[in-house]
Amino acid sequence: DAGVTQSPTHLIKTRGQHVTLRCSPISGHKSVSWYQQVLGQGPQFIFQYYEKEERGRGNFPDRFSARQFPNYSSELNVNALLLGDSALYLCASSFAAGTYEQYFGPGTRLTVT
Amino acid sequence: GENVEQHPSTLSVQEGDSAVIKCTYSDSASNYFPWYKQELGKRPQLIIDIRSNVGEKKDQRIAVTLNKTAKHFSLHITETQPEDSAVYFCAAIPGGADGLTFGKGTHLIIQP
Repeated sequence: DAGVTQSPTHLIKTRGQHVTLRCSPISGHKSVSWYQQVLGQGPQFIFQYYEKEERGRGNFPDRFSARQFPNYSSELNVNALLLGDSALYLCASSFAAGTYEQYFGPGTRLTVT
Repeated sequence: GENVEQHPSTLSVQEGDSAVIKCTYSDSASNYFPWYKQELGKRPQLIIDIRSNVGEKKDQRIAVTLNKTAKHFSLHITETQPEDSAVYFCAAIPGGADGLTFGKGTHLIIQP
């Protein structure tokens, strides 16, 4: 899990703005999942990508989108930010999609004002 | 969709005693059940997992048990130490899906 990297570490945005978060998986892993963790709660699943294709989507609005690049890194985009989008955004790396171990990155702390 | 319930929300035990955290799930097709430990301000760390074809798994002081019939699984920590203090999350992958569904977490406090 030490190999999963995310950037930036912290981010402050204003309501209505757009944000892009980035994730690099562990070397050799081909799947990336995104989760949102609100303070005091467990992470909530947003997306999973495997081999550059979306494999799963959680119950999040269309303002949330993601993609995976040929080197298996990934971006999470959020449009028209709301105050309620303030959270820790976690990226998890796994060898493939399905029931494989998922290892989390350090997260990006997003604050929307 | 899958729903994972976790109890208790807070657990305080004396150092050296055992701790047990319990989770139930709703989707009978769920087949993978990991446990994560999250210290304050840090990432969730995978500590142990179990698959639906296994009833129990142990790794040193940590064990996980799974009862598929009752749809519940539990984390057991023996000989607790101060460094075990953290929030623990159980999770499940529903059948046919790829994202983890997490419980709300258990704050484990080890009293010296």
